[in-house]
Amino acid sequence: AQSVTQLGSHVSVSEGALVLLRCNYSSSVPPYLFWYVQYPNQGLQLLLKYTSAATLVKGINGFEAEFKKSETSFHLTKPSAHMSDAAEYFCAVAHGSNYQLIWGAGTKLIIKP
Amino acid sequence: DVKVTQSSRYLVKRTGEKVFLECVQDMDHENMFWYRQDPGLGLRLIYFSYDVKMKEKGDIPEGYSVSREKKERFSLILESASTNQTSMYLCAGKPGTLNSPLHFGNGTRLTVT
Repeated sequence: AQSVTQLGSHVSVSEGALVLLRCNYSSSVPPYLFWYVQYPNQGLQLLLKYTSAATLVKGINGFEAEFKKSETSFHLTKPSAHMSDAAEYFCAVAHGSNYQLIWGAGTKLIIKP
Repeated sequence: DVKVTQSSRYLVKRTGEKVFLECVQDMDHENMFWYRQDPGLGLRLIYFSYDVKMKEKGDIPEGYSVSREKKERFSLILESASTNQTSMYLCAGKPGTLNSPLHFGNGTRLTVT
């Protein structure tokens, strides 16, 4: 079965530090990959998506993610964390003929002043 | 701009009540989804619909039903609410292409007492 693993249910970084949120997927075919962000008491919004055009994908709010097929990874990074980045981040994969997405469990990003 | 609207942000219902959660999208998307979100469990798919009057069970359909009489509206029904259905419910819409992202509403936080 396909799966998505996000390492770390909580990640804490200092303001101004590098943000790295990890996502690994299992898929027998090249997938479409997504990162979503959820701010408190809101729905999820798309941060960025990989659709095979380029391995390094830039998203909103200064985030980017790199698709590494050999490592089956799609880690999310931001060079310098801001307090407003505090949120929960979800990685998801779509593939095959199914309209559904397979979701990771989410990672809560905590920003320390 | 894309819009998915959930009729209520917060709902409090009593055990045994019939509960309707409404979701409307203005994007003419073929696909609509209902998810449930609980701490530590990520997003779990309840039902989805790929066309008017068409529906498919997701991972956790027990205790729920859905209705899609018009393309823009997708309703989630709790036939007899129970306390274990206290949760955040998220509706989403998606075009009919695999690499298209989901667009989410802001969620309905349901409490069953």
